[in-house]
Amino acid sequence: DQQVKQNSPSLSVQEGRISILNCDYTNSMFDYFLWYKKYPAEGPTFLISISSIKDKNEDGRFTVFLNKSAKHLSLHIVPSQPGDSAVYFCAASRNSGGGADGLTFGKGTHLIIQP
Amino acid sequence: EAQVTQNPRYLITVTGKKLTVTCSQNMNHEYMSWYRQDPGLGLRQIYYSMNVEVTDKGDVPEGYKVSRKEKRNFPLILESPSPNQTSLYFCASSFRGHEQFFGPGTRLTVL
Repeated sequence: DQQVKQNSPSLSVQEGRISILNCDYTNSMFDYFLWYKKYPAEGPTFLISISSIKDKNEDGRFTVFLNKSAKHLSLHIVPSQPGDSAVYFCAASRNSGGGADGLTFGKGTHLIIQP
Repeated sequence: EAQVTQNPRYLITVTGKKLTVTCSQNMNHEYMSWYRQDPGLGLRQIYYSMNVEVTDKGDVPEGYKVSRKEKRNFPLILESPSPNQTSLYFCASSFRGHEQFFGPGTRLTVL
């Protein structure tokens, strides 16, 4: 049973426009959510995160929104740039004894920024 | 430079031949973990460790062993590799388990 779902395997967006990547989760025990970005032949890199006590977190061109009632989060990239083309993974965790009790990842969305 | 290193980066082996993939971090992180990435399945956690001598199973631990004798090292051991363990493996570390720093990956092929 997949606890973190990214239903769009790929997304194509024009350069300069907004990219919106979506993620749904089923486990209500998750209390911390993250987005990672991955280029081919490299390890994932942390992008942005949000705690369940917030509904929005912003860092430059990247904003993550969390809707707890819908168990849904989204990543907005504005404006989209060619270097944003990558696979984006949504991940979730729950705190356990002062640390994360593992990370559960979605399957990823391949974002393609068109010139 | 802060980094997570993995060795080897590429490995081709045969069924049943024990192997170890090493992972080392220089950030004094308490938390380390191993993931495998497979097409269509995303990243799945194999094992994680919140501190020295403390390890826990992730989502897909079968066929793998780990040890955490020192803070900086977290080797992944395949006692008897099988072809279904052919995958891309990532080691990661962090202070508390959330924002994890990933290594460059180890591509393993088991024939």
